[in-house]
Amino acid sequence: DTEVTQTPKHLVMGMTNKKSLKCEQHMGHRAMYWYKQKAKKPPELMFVYSYEKLSINESVPSRFSPECPNSSLLNLHLHALQPEDSALYLCASSLRQAFQPQHFGDGTRLSIL
Amino acid sequence: KQEVTQIPAALSVPEGENLVLNCSFTDSAIYNLQWFRQDPGKGLTSLLLIQSSQREQTSGRLNASLDKSSGRSTLYIAASQPGDSATYLCAVAITQGGSEKLVFGKGTKLTVNP
Repeated sequence: DTEVTQTPKHLVMGMTNKKSLKCEQHMGHRAMYWYKQKAKKPPELMFVYSYEKLSINESVPSRFSPECPNSSLLNLHLHALQPEDSALYLCASSLRQAFQPQHFGDGTRLSIL
Repeated sequence: KQEVTQIPAALSVPEGENLVLNCSFTDSAIYNLQWFRQDPGKGLTSLLLIQSSQREQTSGRLNASLDKSSGRSTLYIAASQPGDSATYLCAVAITQGGSEKLVFGKGTKLTVNP
């Protein structure tokens, strides 16, 4: 079991749907991250939140919208996704955004029809 | 631009063998290097983190070394077991635009045969 919990584990959605991915941690970490991982590829950073403020956006398309309502919760809102957005979406957290070890959740497997 | 390379891409060994996984990076301006394990369909599990000022870290049967000047790290696994079968990723921590990010290698897929 991981200390970073992601829900749902699997998600299938059409290109016109709106859905959200959720990530939660209760380790008191103040930095949280979203990564996208395609099959047989390494994770690619999407967004970083530090103390609930967005600190990195890796030029991610606006159809992905992150939200950090509090220090324990990170959401990724999805709208009008494309088939190429199908991937494993990983959430991670670290004590601070200062080169601390990152702890990963098990991810949400997203399929776009 | 920082690039991380892992060799070999895949490795198959018999149980009990000692093995070494290699990671190289192009820019020595890193803050730390982290080794992860990923099982199929799962997230990443952190194995070892070496700060830029350190030369090695050990945890059980795992030993990771770092030579920042030459841009290399190795992960040594002693007495391998079938349960060690997974993809092993290395990642370096760098700054970008005043913030920290990890740059990952493509991983080494390890299979330990009983």
